[in-house]
Amino acid sequence: EDQVTQSPEALRLQEGESSSLNCSYTVSGLRGLFWYRQDPGKGPEFLFTLYSAGEEKEKERLKATLTKKESFLHITAPKPEDSATYLCAVQGGTGFQKLVFGTGTRLLVSP
Amino acid sequence: DAGVIQSPRHEVTEMGQEVTLRCKPISGHNSLFWYRQTMMRGLELLIYFNNNVPIDDSGMPEDRFSAKMPNASFSTLKIQPSEPRDSAVYFCASSFGPTGSNEQFFGPGTRLTVL
Repeated sequence: EDQVTQSPEALRLQEGESSSLNCSYTVSGLRGLFWYRQDPGKGPEFLFTLYSAGEEKEKERLKATLTKKESFLHITAPKPEDSATYLCAVQGGTGFQKLVFGTGTRLLVSP
Repeated sequence: DAGVIQSPRHEVTEMGQEVTLRCKPISGHNSLFWYRQTMMRGLELLIYFNNNVPIDDSGMPEDRFSAKMPNASFSTLKIQPSEPRDSAVYFCASSFGPTGSNEQFFGPGTRLTVL
């Protein structure tokens, strides 16, 4: 059974203090690893898809990396507007396969 | 485009009542997903439609839950009868493509409270 574990559950940073969020996964035949951002009271918003170990993607202050067992979301010099819950999900197998989501990391960036 | 539209945004009902949640996907998207989000279990897929046909309903918790997609621009999720453990935020998402691999666009969700 596909599983995703995210850590830490919550993270508090000062503005400008860089850090990383972790997503550990087990999946049968990884097809993709997805990162979403969710603001309070809103639906998740897509950030990245990573397909194979060694792949990296960047968007503004965020960089996602992937190994065979985990993914990291690196946040460089965060700003208060980066405060949100970050969700990781994996998809494996062939044909249609559902995304299996972790429970997320709640990030709070203080000015 | 207005994005995925869900209604109502909030629903409070009493145990045993019927609840109907509604979703309008993004025009041109042919895949539609219903998810449920709780603190304990996170975000879980309930059912997936492709070209208006239910493809995977393995996440539907029990017979009290049913979903329909009569056309490409409308879907409903019905709970009858509702129970307190159904309290959660229900999201509808849409995307293009049959495999679920493409970016999914989520609606704002319906927060359901069953008393």
